[in-house]
Amino acid sequence: AQTVTQSQPEMSVQEAETVTLSCTYDTSENNYYLFWYKQPPSRQMILVIRQEAYKQQNATENRFSVNFQKAAKSFSLKISDSQLGDTAMYFCAHQGGSEKLVFGKGTKLTVNP
Amino acid sequence: DAGITQSPRYKITETGRQVTLMCHQTWSHSYMFWYRQDLGHGLRLIYYSAAADITDKGEVPDGYVVSRSKTENFPLTLESATRSQTSVYFCAVSPAHSPLHFGNGTRLTVT
Repeated sequence: AQTVTQSQPEMSVQEAETVTLSCTYDTSENNYYLFWYKQPPSRQMILVIRQEAYKQQNATENRFSVNFQKAAKSFSLKISDSQLGDTAMYFCAHQGGSEKLVFGKGTKLTVNP
Repeated sequence: DAGITQSPRYKITETGRQVTLMCHQTWSHSYMFWYRQDLGHGLRLIYYSAAADITDKGEVPDGYVVSRSKTENFPLTLESATRSQTSVYFCAVSPAHSPLHFGNGTRLTVT
């Protein structure tokens, strides 16, 4: 069974700074997807970024980028130029052939002014 | 997301009562999922469905029942609610090999 581990329950960063959220996973599958979802206080689940395991190039979406290390089963999220609106829970997730998403327990990120 | 509607948004019920949470999609995506979110646990999968009339258990299925007679609807029923089922419930939808789109969630309190 797949597992996803987020080792940082809480983090904080100053506005305009850069922060990296960690995620490791375990899977026996070769083809899979990895995701970062953001959950602001509104409770809505928002897709931040998606990485396909067979692609070596790290995914990037504006200020959000990942460092995908397939051999190490590591998938960290870097947020550049942090903004107050980035304050949220961030969930790392794995999706294999069954289409199910397996989530980590989340990292609560606070951006301070 | 306008394509997924969860109802109700909030629900308070008593121990032992039956409760049904509704999930409706305006697309015709194959996959539908029910997750529960609890502090310290992230989101855990309760049940999922790959198509109409096809459902399967997730990580925490005990105490829940699902059905999917139509592609667009995937109701979740708590047959006899317990306090441990107090949680936020999310429905999600996706086509194959695609990210999940989540509903806005239902906060359920069992007293």
